[in-house]
Amino acid sequence: GAGVSQSPSNKVTEKGKDVELRCDPISGHTALYWYRQSLGQGLEFLIYFQGNSAPDKSGLPSDRFSAERTGGSVSTLTIQRTQQEDSAVYLCASSNRQGNQPQHFGDGTRLSIL
Amino acid sequence: GENVEQHPSTLSVQEGDSAVIKCTYSDSASNYFPWYKQELGKRPQLIIDIRSNVGEKKDQRIAVTLNKTAKHFSLHITETQPEDSAVYFCAASLNAGGTSYGKLTFGQGTILTVHP
Repeated sequence: GAGVSQSPSNKVTEKGKDVELRCDPISGHTALYWYRQSLGQGLEFLIYFQGNSAPDKSGLPSDRFSAERTGGSVSTLTIQRTQQEDSAVYLCASSNRQGNQPQHFGDGTRLSIL
Repeated sequence: GENVEQHPSTLSVQEGDSAVIKCTYSDSASNYFPWYKQELGKRPQLIIDIRSNVGEKKDQRIAVTLNKTAKHFSLHITETQPEDSAVYFCAASLNAGGTSYGKLTFGQGTILTVHP
């Protein structure tokens, strides 16, 4: 596709359940980022993947959060044992590693924990 | 780590007026400063960016200025239109050449309202 694609667009789940969020970056982009945007707030960095390098997980808020990127393309963000404070929009972005290139965002997944 | 402060949190202008949003950053090593526009319920869209080797960049009605010494940068929108109404975010990152790290630290956002 032409842009970053995320699924699902909306997810409602009960507290304590696990959720998986998917991101398909722009074709050819080797860098992939996950951010979280809580209601009325700015974007908070979660995790970064660059090619085959070890990911930067410094922004993950707890060990309930994890992410993987298979084959250098699609990424999955997993939240285990969800809590109400996990409710937010989870945004994925990708960029081209060739020089200082801007990040392009997907539409995000709106996660609501009941 | 990097910290980005953004002001004002809300800005209301009349159509045709100019709008200015200001950001400061804490890490003098940051060298890339993008601005994003986010309409309600939509993805952030990059509108302009500036790298630390220049002091000003302009694209039609939008301009960004950077003062590395003072560690602040500003977004200027001239001849505002109602469709400019949105939330604007500044960000800062360190793109270390070939490693192209690029983690963005965002400001808290400015809600811009342009009244017809």
